[in-house]
Amino acid sequence: AQTVTQSQPEMSVQEAETVTLSCTYDTSESDYYLFWYKQPPSRQMILVIRQEAYKQQNATENRFSVNFQKAAKSFSLKISDSQLGDAAMYFCAWEGGSEKLVFGKGTKLTVNP
Amino acid sequence: GAGVSQSPSNKVTEKGKDVELRCDPISGHTALYWYRQSLGQGLEFLIYFQGNSAPDKSGLPSDRFSAERTGGSVSTLTIQRTQQEDSAVYLCASSPQGGASGENTQYFGPGTRLTVL
Repeated sequence: AQTVTQSQPEMSVQEAETVTLSCTYDTSESDYYLFWYKQPPSRQMILVIRQEAYKQQNATENRFSVNFQKAAKSFSLKISDSQLGDAAMYFCAWEGGSEKLVFGKGTKLTVNP
Repeated sequence: GAGVSQSPSNKVTEKGKDVELRCDPISGHTALYWYRQSLGQGLEFLIYFQGNSAPDKSGLPSDRFSAERTGGSVSTLTIQRTQQEDSAVYLCASSPQGGASGENTQYFGPGTRLTVL
């Protein structure tokens, strides 16, 4: 079965600094998708960024970028110029042909002013 | 446009009672998913609807759990004879097509927090 591991239960960063959240996964499939979702205290899961496994180029969305290493099965999220509004739980997720998202346990990010 | 909506936002019930949780997906989205988020288990897939196909119920934890989707839109998750371990946040998501080959990004609702006393 596919698994997603987030090894950092909590992380903190100073406002305006850069932070990287780690994610590794285990799968035998070659075609799949990877996602980072943000969940603030409001509970709403918000898509941050999406990566297709067949694309070698790393996805970017404004201040958010990923480092996708397919051979290493690693998918880390970099947040640049951190803002107070970035404080939330961040979940890494994997999806293959079964259409089900498999989530990691999450990383709680604190942004210090 | 409007996002995924869920009701109620919070539900408190007594052990043994039945509950119904509702999800309104984004208009035009053919795929709908239910997940459960609990402290002990994290985020778990429950059930998936895609168009008129038979739903994928492989994540339902017991036969006390059921779900239906009427008219390819609104979905209801029903939990019969609730137990304390059913306490969790129930999240609904929808996507335009579903499936890894299509536009498969899942958009989530705000969830229903269920507390079983």
